[in-house]
Amino acid sequence: EAEVAQSPRYKITEKSQAVAFWCDPISGHATLYWYRQILGQGPELLVQFQDESVVDDSQLPKDRFSAERLKGVDSTLKIQPAELGDSAMYLCASSLGPSGNTDTQYFGPGTRLTVL
Amino acid sequence: AQSVTQLDSQVPVFEEAPVELRCNYSSSVSVYLFWYVQYPNQGLQLLLKYLSGSTLVKGINGFEAEFNKSQTSFHLRKPSVHISDTAEYFCAVSNFLGAQKLVFGQGTRLTINP
Repeated sequence: EAEVAQSPRYKITEKSQAVAFWCDPISGHATLYWYRQILGQGPELLVQFQDESVVDDSQLPKDRFSAERLKGVDSTLKIQPAELGDSAMYLCASSLGPSGNTDTQYFGPGTRLTVL
Repeated sequence: AQSVTQLDSQVPVFEEAPVELRCNYSSSVSVYLFWYVQYPNQGLQLLLKYLSGSTLVKGINGFEAEFNKSQTSFHLRKPSVHISDTAEYFCAVSNFLGAQKLVFGQGTRLTINP
C-alpha cells in the first residue's frame, strides 16, 4: 500500500539554527498538507498545496517558516531560525484532490523536532 | 470558523468493555466530520468519516460514530475494546466551502487495561 514518506523521522537542533523537513506524498496525489502537532494537542494546518500552488498558508509563521513544492510532487518545509517553541511533530499529509473536502487525507509518520 | 472540543483528554477502560469518546463541534456552516487514530510514534490514520446520508457511520477496527446535528456531536463508539486499541484519537471537521482544511480537536488518549 502506498504511503506518505517523511524524513528525517527525528531532528534535534539548537535554537537559531536552520532545519528542513522533506515529504514525498502518495503518487498521483495533487494536494499536500503540512501540519504541526504540539505535544498534547491536535495537529494544526501550516500550509496546503494544490499541485505547486499554495492554497492556504494563513497559519504559517512566514517570518521564519517557508514551504515549497516546486514540481508539484515532493515538498520541503524549512524553519530558519528555529526557536524553542518550534519543538513539535511535523506531519505531512496528501489527498487525491482537487475534488474538494471529501478526499481522505493520508498522513506520513511525521518528523519530531526538538529545539535545544 | 470551525472548532472541535473533545470532552475527555484521557479515557481508561478494561479490555472487552465498551467505550465512547466524545466530540462536539462548532460551525456556522455545514461540515464534514472525521475520526483519526494515532498510534505511538506514527502518523494519523482515518477511522471513519461522515459526509452525508445515514447518521451512523461504521469505520475500521469495529468503530462507529453517530452524527447528531441538533447536539452538534460526533461521538465515537466501540462495543468491545482490545489492548491494540490503545492510542490517541482525534476528532476533526472541515467545511463544505473552500480548501479542504481539517480542524482537529485536542485528542483523547484511550488506554486499555487488561
